[in-house]
Amino acid sequence: EMVMTQSPATLSVSPGERATLSCRASQSVSSNLAWYQQKPGQAPRLLIYGASTRATGVPARFSGSGSGTEFTLTISSLQSEDFAVYYCQQYNNWPPHIFGGGTKVEI
Amino acid sequence: EVQLVESGGGLVQPGGSLRLSCAASGFKFTSYEMNWVRQAPGKGLEWVSSIISTGYTVHYADSVKGRFTISRDNTKNSVYLQMNNLRAEDTAVYYCAREGGGGAYFYWGQGTLVTVSS
Repeated sequence: EMVMTQSPATLSVSPGERATLSCRASQSVSSNLAWYQQKPGQAPRLLIYGASTRATGVPARFSGSGSGTEFTLTISSLQSEDFAVYYCQQYNNWPPHIFGGGTKVEI
Repeated sequence: EVQLVESGGGLVQPGGSLRLSCAASGFKFTSYEMNWVRQAPGKGLEWVSSIISTGYTVHYADSVKGRFTISRDNTKNSVYLQMNNLRAEDTAVYYCAREGGGGAYFYWGQGTLVTVSS
């Protein structure tokens, strides 16, 4: 069964710094990968789909890259509102639409 | 504006049943696959079930297969999750989510909390 592995589990970053989050798939998902942001008490929000396309309204400081089994979400200069948990999700091999375990970005 | 509003959550005893509803508005409901995703307290996201636009094809996570049933009523712009034989490990916030035409979940509801406890 497909497994999505995110690393690190927790990333400690200062405001203004760059954050790099990784997501690895156990088998190729082509570019059918999404990134979501979730803040406490809120529903997830789509940031990136198709591995690298920003969803509507997502700031340009968020970028996604990768294909196949290795993917990266980069936040170029962290703002206070970016501290949250980030999940990757594959939607290539369906079902299931498996999520990664998440990366918490903290101050 | 796309809106997804879940309802039906609550406290239920182990072995009991609940039916979750998700009312959709702001888009052509009959064109989209709909999904349920859950999140146990302090844990990550877990895909639960999906139903294609016509309702003819459904899928379930192994953890709920045989206990949960997803359905939709395209005349009411609603999707449902019938949950039977509930277990403590089903305790979670349940989100309704709409895919964006390629598979990613573009829109999410606010979630409804299901607590399974005696």
